[in-house]
Amino acid sequence: NAGVTQTPKFRVLKTGQSMTLLCAQDMNHEYMYWYRQDPGMGLRLIHYSVGEGTTAKGEVPDGYNVSRLKKQNFLLGLESAAPSQTSVYFCASSYSSQGTTLMEQYFGPGTRLTVT
Amino acid sequence: AQSVTQLDSHVSVSEGTPVLLRCNYSSSYSPSLFWYVQHPNKGLQLLLKYTSAATLVKGINGFEAEFKKSETSFHLTKPSAHMSDAAEYFCVVNTSGYSTLTFGKGTMLLVSP
Repeated sequence: NAGVTQTPKFRVLKTGQSMTLLCAQDMNHEYMYWYRQDPGMGLRLIHYSVGEGTTAKGEVPDGYNVSRLKKQNFLLGLESAAPSQTSVYFCASSYSSQGTTLMEQYFGPGTRLTVT
Repeated sequence: AQSVTQLDSHVSVSEGTPVLLRCNYSSSYSPSLFWYVQHPNKGLQLLLKYTSAATLVKGINGFEAEFKKSETSFHLTKPSAHMSDAAEYFCVVNTSGYSTLTFGKGTMLLVSP
């Protein structure tokens, strides 16, 4: 099992450019998440999905869009990159809740994005 | 609502001494609590989790945490620090019925020889 994989690992964009980050998981997880990590801020949720074809906004969704066309893939798009979106982006996945207990999340290795 | 506060942004210990990383949470009902570790330039790895079974939870690499409902705390401990424990640690909460986790801001553990 590869677990959760992310592509690319690094990317440099100019302000105004667009790009898509790809997350893939091979654990048949229902739930998938996109986070950004900035120094001293912990991880902040951007968007998430509780199943194929469904997405929802997290804490910091502005400037990002997502799609979950296949259960194993979760795409994060930046339509017009800004320097404030310079960050490390993590994807995670988990099984759906077992009763009322949310299962732990499995994380990818991250994508380091710089916007100049 | 759910939130988590990690009380120290940095903790420094000497190798072989105990480790204590403090975490307080706020949750309206039946929290699940997790500790994750992140080594430099790596993804996050689950250390341990509490999901309403035993209040003392044992994790990987000799770490453990105790759930104290009366104090709304979930502190992480280890009897003897190793150099390889140097990393950033995140306390995480989920409230029953929520589909998302809330992360603390992290505690950087520094281990000196």
